[in-house]
Amino acid sequence: TQTVSQSDAHVTVFEGDSVELRCNYSYGGSIYLSWYIQHHGHGLQFLLKYYSGNPVVQGVNGFEAEFSKSDSSFHLRKASVHWSDSAVYFCAVSKNSNNRIFFGDGTQLVVKP
Amino acid sequence: NAGVIQTPRHKVTGKGQEATLWCEPISGHSAVFWYRQTIVQGLEFLTYFRNQAPIDDSGMPKERFSAQMPNQSHSTLKIQSTQPQDSAVYLCASSLEGGADAEQFFGPGTRLTVL
Repeated sequence: TQTVSQSDAHVTVFEGDSVELRCNYSYGGSIYLSWYIQHHGHGLQFLLKYYSGNPVVQGVNGFEAEFSKSDSSFHLRKASVHWSDSAVYFCAVSKNSNNRIFFGDGTQLVVKP
Repeated sequence: NAGVIQTPRHKVTGKGQEATLWCEPISGHSAVFWYRQTIVQGLEFLTYFRNQAPIDDSGMPKERFSAQMPNQSHSTLKIQSTQPQDSAVYLCASSLEGGADAEQFFGPGTRLTVL
């Protein structure tokens, strides 16, 4: 079974804190890993993606994610969050052989002032 | 660049009625994707067009759902005889090319409520 798992449905932190949103996957073959953000009432916005090379990829607004083949993970991190980072974050996988994106269930991040 | 445009933003239908959802991809993008988002099922892929041709509709329910892309500037998702379980946010996305590495740009979605 091919899956994308985001173990935390909700994460609450304070402004200025660091945060890590977890993503684990189980897929075979060549895959693309990405993160998307969805603010309430809006569509998804692309944050970053990984396919090969440097396992740490930088995205917009200070986000970065690190790929680990041994852990089958692609966790998203930010060193210092802002209240505007409050949103739902989706981890996603797409296979090189087709164009479907498989999304995780999402993690709702709440940043308190 | 107005981004991906979806209309209407909200639609309420009665059970058994037809609903047509519209998507205008970003100009110049050759691939269009449809997704459905619910609290229970999360984000589900429905179907995908490249250069107006249907490429993968494996996520579409076999009955009542159909999607078309009559020209490069818009795609429609039609649901016949709507049922309460069709209530969801329907998201359209487009990408410059159809490759798996291509970033998808999402519209704001159409929230369909079936009473």
